[in-house]
This record gives sequence, structure tokens and C-alpha cells, in this order.
Amino acid sequence: ETGVTQSPTHLIKTRGQQVTLRCSSQSGHNTVSWYQQALGQGPQFIFQYYREEENGRGNFPPRFSGLQFPNYSSELNVNALELDDSALYLCASSPGGTSGQETQYFGPGTRLLVL
Amino acid sequence: AQKITQTQPGMFVQEKEAVTLDCTYDTSDPSYGLFWYKQPSSGEMIFLIYQGSYDQQNATEGRYSLNFQKARKSANLVISASQLGDSAMYFCAMRVTGGGNKLTFGTGTQLKVEL
Repeated sequence: ETGVTQSPTHLIKTRGQQVTLRCSSQSGHNTVSWYQQALGQGPQFIFQYYREEENGRGNFPPRFSGLQFPNYSSELNVNALELDDSALYLCASSPGGTSGQETQYFGPGTRLLVL
Repeated sequence: AQKITQTQPGMFVQEKEAVTLDCTYDTSDPSYGLFWYKQPSSGEMIFLIYQGSYDQQNATEGRYSLNFQKARKSANLVISASQLGDSAMYFCAMRVTGGGNKLTFGTGTQLKVEL
């Protein structure tokens, strides 16, 4: 196991609602990245947090927002949920740095279903 | 922009045989890292192996090895002595040094190990 935890494991929401997903990073890691994985697809990068600051963002609208806390845990918030937001949301932590060899370690994911 | 291509949606292999999962990539950045992850049906992405763009030798980790052909921009994963537990989805991913810590994933290959 990686030591990266996510909660909740599963979630059902209705269109228009808001959701908050949580992630605890591996001990010693100060960087958290969030990914959305639609069914049958590879994960898509949402954004990354490094030492409590957003450090890169993918092609996702502003209703996807995040936060990182002093203990490096993180939240992903999605407002005004749409049916297409139904996906597996993966959190990954890494030690931090700009080297291309930074390995990201993933949590078990949160499965979100929007009805 | 970076791109990862995995052209094999599904692969079958007999137990104890070796199998190669294909991955090609595209980037103009000279410094990058290539990763392979395994995703069982539970959803967690499990890191398998890493190859740096400047590494002179192919990476190996136990039964996993990476056949890195830089000129062809390919980074194929070789699994030796396949086991039933190897049945899963396998993703190739890339991170460029100048692109933050974002991982770009392919669409994955579903591997089924048969008796």
C-alpha cells in the first residue's frame, strides 16, 4: 500500500449539487495531484498542490477547485455537478520537486456518481 | 503538448509466459520520465516501473522490465513469468521536466492472464 488515503470511497450526488473529496498524502510528501478517470479512459490531470499553493492545472473549469492544508492533505471541491462529472477521482502524492523522475503514488480513489 | 499512445486495448497471455505491452510517446521536451502503472478492478493505480529519458540502461523491477527505444519514442513494458494476479489494466504515463508534476496517461491495455 502507498499510504495515500482517500475518502469517501463511493459517493452519489444529484446534478447541481456540490461535493468535497478528501486525500491524505503519504508521509514525507508535500505535493498532491488530483486526476479524473472516466470509465474506460486514462486519468486526466485536474490540478496539483505544492506546499499549499496550486502548482499547475489541467483543462478543467473553475467549478473544480482545491485546497491543501499545512499537513499536506488535500481537498477537491466540485460545484454545480454535471452528469459527466461521474468518474473515479484519484489523488496522488509525491515528495515534491521538478525532476522528471518524481514518482506519484496513488490512493484508492473515490467513485462519484452524479444522477 | 505531450501524448501517450497505447494501441492494444486488450491482451491475453498464458500463465508463466512473458507479455509485452506497447507504449509510444510524443514530446518535444528532451527531459522526461516514463512510468507504468497497474490498475486492478479495485481502482487503485499501482506504480510499477520508471524510465528516465537520459537513463542509459533499460529499467527493471523484479518481473517488470521496460524496453526503452528513445529514437522510436517507445517504452514497452515486458512482464515475465505472468501470474493470474497480473490480470489488470496497465497504463503508460509520461511526465516532462518542464511541465510541472503532471502525468499524461495513455488509454490503457487490459491484460488477462489465462491458465
